[in-house]
Amino acid sequence: EVQLLESGGGSVQSGGSLRLSCVASGFNFNSYAMSWVRQAPGKGLEWVSTIGGSGGFTYYADSVKGRFTISRDNPKNTVYLEMSSLGGDDTAVYYCAKDSGYLNFNFEYWGQGALVTVSS
Amino acid sequence: DIVLTQSPATLSLSPGERATLSCRASQSVLTYLDWYQQRPGQAPRLLMYDASKRATGIPARFSGSGSGTDFTLTINSLEPEDFAIYYCQQRSSWPRVTFGPGTKVDVK
Repeated sequence: EVQLLESGGGSVQSGGSLRLSCVASGFNFNSYAMSWVRQAPGKGLEWVSTIGGSGGFTYYADSVKGRFTISRDNPKNTVYLEMSSLGGDDTAVYYCAKDSGYLNFNFEYWGQGALVTVSS
Repeated sequence: DIVLTQSPATLSLSPGERATLSCRASQSVLTYLDWYQQRPGQAPRLLMYDASKRATGIPARFSGSGSGTDFTLTINSLEPEDFAIYYCQQRSSWPRVTFGPGTKVDVK
């Protein structure tokens, strides 16, 4: 059974930093791309970032480019999202998601989400 | 970026009825179009990929169709657990993938 467990969410002041983690189990982790997708309160879904299975390829939405860094530790089955220069628009539930393949850019399985609240 | 438009915004139906949801893309996405279901308080779940293929474990009452710019998600005979928000997502322009704003299916 595929399981994704996010952690690291919380409250942070505007301009601050936070690191999210997502521990995966139930599949061959290094064979799949992993992504972060966020959802602002009461709003729709927004793709944030994706990393290839080997970690060699990373992709970012324009809204977070230069501020967020995605990385992975394959021996630990963990993907990270390092977030800096946070602003109110970054307040959201951040979901970790498993790609259906190496870099298909769809989201086959999702974690339960980590809430990030940025206050001024 | 490719913009996805979903209609209607809200669909009010009774259990047992058929739901027909639309997703339109601002330019062709071929069949790189997926559908997700999000129940209240839960994470989204992949329903359909490549426009018409059901994801693992998805019941046969869900079906998808379309190509190019116009897509449809059909739910035959709504079950109580199907009342949720449904999002379409295109990945034709990867990595710049985008989601539609969602269609809420609620109880009439």
